[in-house]
Amino acid sequence: EPEVTQTPSHQVTQMGQEVILRCVPISNHLYFYWYRQILGQKVEFLVSFYNNEISEKSEIFDDQFSVERPDGSNFTLKIRSTKLEDSAMYFCASGSGTAIYGYTFGSGTRLTVV
Amino acid sequence: DQQVKQNSPSLSVQEGRISILNCDYTNSMFDYFLWYKKYPAEGPTFLISISSIKDKNEDGRFTVFLNKSAKHLSLHIVPSQPGDSAVYFCAASAALGAGGTSYGKLTFGQGTILTVHP
Repeated sequence: EPEVTQTPSHQVTQMGQEVILRCVPISNHLYFYWYRQILGQKVEFLVSFYNNEISEKSEIFDDQFSVERPDGSNFTLKIRSTKLEDSAMYFCASGSGTAIYGYTFGSGTRLTVV
Repeated sequence: DQQVKQNSPSLSVQEGRISILNCDYTNSMFDYFLWYKKYPAEGPTFLISISSIKDKNEDGRFTVFLNKSAKHLSLHIVPSQPGDSAVYFCAASAALGAGGTSYGKLTFGQGTILTVHP
């Protein structure tokens, strides 16, 4: 079964440092997403990406965040200057069409900011 | 953001019995509803979905019921198995615009921890 692959599985970084979280979506999917889950809280939408541009973003996704699909296979989330409150599980997801078909999530990257 | 709520943090069921997981929503613009299952250290796994124009969708042991007037949906698992023990998330998606197609974000509930005892 096709999978969404995320690396690394765990990243520890110093506050103020830049991090890049990487994702390889399912190859024939066209819609890409980043979500995050702070420990004990809901899974929250960050950003959606389609046709090489952001189609929607949440209030969380401020100027410190950016996304890229640099080579047609990878999909990255960059946090420029990490804060303690960015510590969370970050999930990448991809989809082939409307939400009725569901989106496939990766296993996540646990980001710990110290 | 309380647009999707799962009011039961946990549910415990005996193997072979029915599990009923509930979800309420407030946004009448939601047009697709989904259920995801999540094991520790894994991402959410898509289980089943329903369009707002239907009131029931069935897939094997899983059935989702939608009551639009009550803004309520439920997931029934029959019969429940120990391997079903996981966190279950309800999620909803709204069309991006009038007549638009929903490629957009999912709004998740808080999740319900289901434990199925042998």
